[in-house]
Amino acid sequence: QKEVEQDPGPLSVPEGAIVSLNCTYSNSAFQYFMWYRQYSRKGPELLMYTYSSGNKEDGRFTAQVDKSSKYISLFIRDSQPSDSATYLCAPGEGRRALTFGSGTRLQVQP
Amino acid sequence: EPEVTQTPSHQVTQMGQEVILRCVPISNHLYFYWYRQILGQKVEFLVSFYNNEISEKSEIFDDQFSVERPDGSNFTLKIRSTKLEDSAMYFCASSEFDPGTGLYEQYFGPGTRLTVT
Repeated sequence: QKEVEQDPGPLSVPEGAIVSLNCTYSNSAFQYFMWYRQYSRKGPELLMYTYSSGNKEDGRFTAQVDKSSKYISLFIRDSQPSDSATYLCAPGEGRRALTFGSGTRLQVQP
Repeated sequence: EPEVTQTPSHQVTQMGQEVILRCVPISNHLYFYWYRQILGQKVEFLVSFYNNEISEKSEIFDDQFSVERPDGSNFTLKIRSTKLEDSAMYFCASSEFDPGTGLYEQYFGPGTRLTVT
């Protein structure tokens, strides 16, 4: 079983839609859960993170973790064409390396 | 806003040649990382570095690879004898402990695209 599994997409939605991006993980040692956004041929950009079960909101973005089921979600409200990118979930433990999912490619159609 | 920088943005080299990829981490960060991403694949960890020594490395980071912090600002990745399969984007990241969150938030550079011919 892969440590981090992520729906690969691509996911195509109309502008204004609510987007749900998901990951599952297997390693119980993961303490926090990062979401990165990556535009084509660019470096991953830290979007937000959470480190406990429950929700964390930042503007149009909400990160959700359920540690009991090892399930991570990122919701984007009122999606914009500029949100079109690949979204990477990346759980981590302390200062150790992050373990990235394969990424979900999102396309928001104007 | 502080950011991680990397040079060059694109490096083309012939198989068997040595390459050095350079990174300038965020100035107050103490933890440094190299990751790579083969085109169309996921970001993979190579090595982490702290206090002038390797903290952790992956199976990918074999004897062909080495890292160094030659001065107070640069962090380098050297590939001694490049292979075709080393063609990838190489990302440097740095982090520091944030007592407010209790986390080590890793910030990534824009990457160096390495093409081995």
